[in-house]
Amino acid sequence: DTGVSQDPRHKITKRGQNVTFRCDPISEHNRLYWYRQTLGQGPEFLTYFQNEAQLEKSRLLSDRFSAERPKGSFSTLEIQRTEQGDSAMYLCASSVGQGESYEQFFGPGTRLTVL
Amino acid sequence: AQSVTQLDSHVSVSEGTPVLLRCNYSSSYSPSLFWYVQHPNKGLQLLLKYTSAATLVKGINGFEAEFKKSETSFHLTKPSAHMSDAAEYFCVVTINAGGTSYGKLTFGQGTILTVHP
Repeated sequence: DTGVSQDPRHKITKRGQNVTFRCDPISEHNRLYWYRQTLGQGPEFLTYFQNEAQLEKSRLLSDRFSAERPKGSFSTLEIQRTEQGDSAMYLCASSVGQGESYEQFFGPGTRLTVL
Repeated sequence: AQSVTQLDSHVSVSEGTPVLLRCNYSSSYSPSLFWYVQHPNKGLQLLLKYTSAATLVKGINGFEAEFKKSETSFHLTKPSAHMSDAAEYFCVVTINAGGTSYGKLTFGQGTILTVHP
């Protein structure tokens, strides 16, 4: 257990529905990241926050995806009008500050299945 | 731009024999390099990291990796495999410019390590 928690761990939804995932980082970590991992692939970067500011978004993050970190603590990732191609494991990670020696600690992930 | 290529999608070894997982990277800037391990139904765990200090990096569970700039490689090794090493391993690169990490990790496609008794 790295100290990063994600909820729910599994989500099954029908195509066209909206879903929201939550990530609680390690408490003193000011950086929070979202990644997506599809079957047989390595995780791919989606977006990251420093405190409450969203600093970078991948082109993978279409306009159906939105992420927030309103108070610089927990974060939510919402997918609107889900598609079958959204089925994946959504990973959250957190780290403290910046610099050469930072390490990202990963949560267990939320597995999304879109039927 | 940065990228990582893991040269083997599957590696199979016998318990007690050496492990070699190969990784080549590409980065426009000075890279930081990592190896992460993912056991089934568990989260990603950092094995080791290179951040411009010593080129031979020691990690947890007896793993090592050597940064070779001339070969743009960061291969992971272990002298003697254990059954508990069976997992998927990811080589990861990120930009390290002037001591500032920009945070975005770029993962390889992973190498599944199987260890036979």
